[in-house]
Amino acid sequence: GAGVSQSPSNKVTEKGKDVELRCDPISGHTALYWYRQSLGQGLEFLIYFQGNSAPDKSGLPSDRFSAERTGGSVSTLTIQRTQQEDSAVYLCASSLGTGTGELFFGEGSRLTVL
Amino acid sequence: GIQVEQSPPDLILQEGANSTLRCNFSDSVNNLQWFHQNPWGQLINLFYIPSGTKQNGRLSATTVATERYSLLYISSSQTTDSGVYFCAGTYNTDKLIFGTGTRLQVFP
Repeated sequence: GAGVSQSPSNKVTEKGKDVELRCDPISGHTALYWYRQSLGQGLEFLIYFQGNSAPDKSGLPSDRFSAERTGGSVSTLTIQRTQQEDSAVYLCASSLGTGTGELFFGEGSRLTVL
Repeated sequence: GIQVEQSPPDLILQEGANSTLRCNFSDSVNNLQWFHQNPWGQLINLFYIPSGTKQNGRLSATTVATERYSLLYISSSQTTDSGVYFCAGTYNTDKLIFGTGTRLQVFP
């Protein structure tokens, strides 16, 4: 696609429910990143993929968080048993390759856990 | 881990003024980039600048990798420049680490 696409753009859920956030990177970009941004804060690294592999999962806050990428394209970030502190904007970005080149961001998925 | 500090944390300017934003790294970094996050939250890549100097219109950036810093210059600022500016780089891995950000407000 022309840019990084994320869905849903907004998600309101109840505490304890599971949510899935989707990211469709720019066509041909092999690297894909997930970040989290709480209100008024900086970007917190969650995980990145090179192809379908995730060399670094160190940023995932807890075992309730998981991510996968299939076909070297679309990625899904899943949060199980959501908590109020999970409320944030989840940002996805892609680049031609890891460690090289510019990073392009999607518009983010705003998650609100009631 | 590597620390990325940005200064100043907040900056208020009148339209037409010039400014310099700074990014300091605790260790040598690669793949240094500057981003602008507009008031609606969209992050836009301004420069990919691992070293040297680049210019794009009223914006320019300089990275001195050996001294572990990068500068972003904004000349003749406009209200549309408002938002948060982030620098980011990688260190030993491919994980792009973001700085603390500089919040810029430009008033007419």
